[in-house]
Amino acid sequence: GENVEQHPSTLSVQEGDSAVIKCTYSDSASNYFPWYKQELGKGPQLIIDIRSNVGEKKDQRIAVTLNKTAKHFSLHITETQPEDSAVYFCAASLPGSGYALNFGKGTSLLVTP
Amino acid sequence: GAVVSQHPSWVICKSGTSVKIECRSLDFQATTMFWYRQFPKQSLMLMATSNEGSKATYEQGVEKDKFLINHASLTLSTLTVTSAHPEDSSFYICSASTGDGYGYTFGSGTRLTVV
Repeated sequence: GENVEQHPSTLSVQEGDSAVIKCTYSDSASNYFPWYKQELGKGPQLIIDIRSNVGEKKDQRIAVTLNKTAKHFSLHITETQPEDSAVYFCAASLPGSGYALNFGKGTSLLVTP
Repeated sequence: GAVVSQHPSWVICKSGTSVKIECRSLDFQATTMFWYRQFPKQSLMLMATSNEGSKATYEQGVEKDKFLINHASLTLSTLTVTSAHPEDSSFYICSASTGDGYGYTFGSGTRLTVV
């Protein structure tokens, strides 16, 4: 099955700096790569996603890049703010609605004022 | 956007009793529902996949007789933890597929504590 690796497990940045989280996946057939933000005691919230036919996608301070050849994708957060502090998960899924998302182990991001 | 309502948000039960968790898709038909379990400071681990009107498919190591999943309609799926034990204490999260292969909407999660 699909295996998703995520690094780093913890990341501490100063407010205003950028944060980058990287993930790799094992199954080249995977075609959907979402990123989720999870705050303590809550369910995951989708922050951005990318499909396999796109190399990059941006939404204000958040961007995701995908390298299908290398089978890795990254989350970029610019101008970080303390409210960005949370756990971030990357995920990948195979084509079709019957396939579940496979999650990375998560990155705990701390943005210090 | 798509919304999945999950209830209860937290529950405390005595060891040996059963607990039911509900997930409802409010504004779309969820052909497939996924159930995850998340232990503290860990990632989401898939427990089972259920399709409306069919038996759920459980991941290796997940006891189907202990974690009963029902997906009787396109808008409702339930997870029943039977004969709960303290080791079943965890955060349970459902996710509904919108059917296009790209939409996964998550519930807000249920914190189960077995005492």
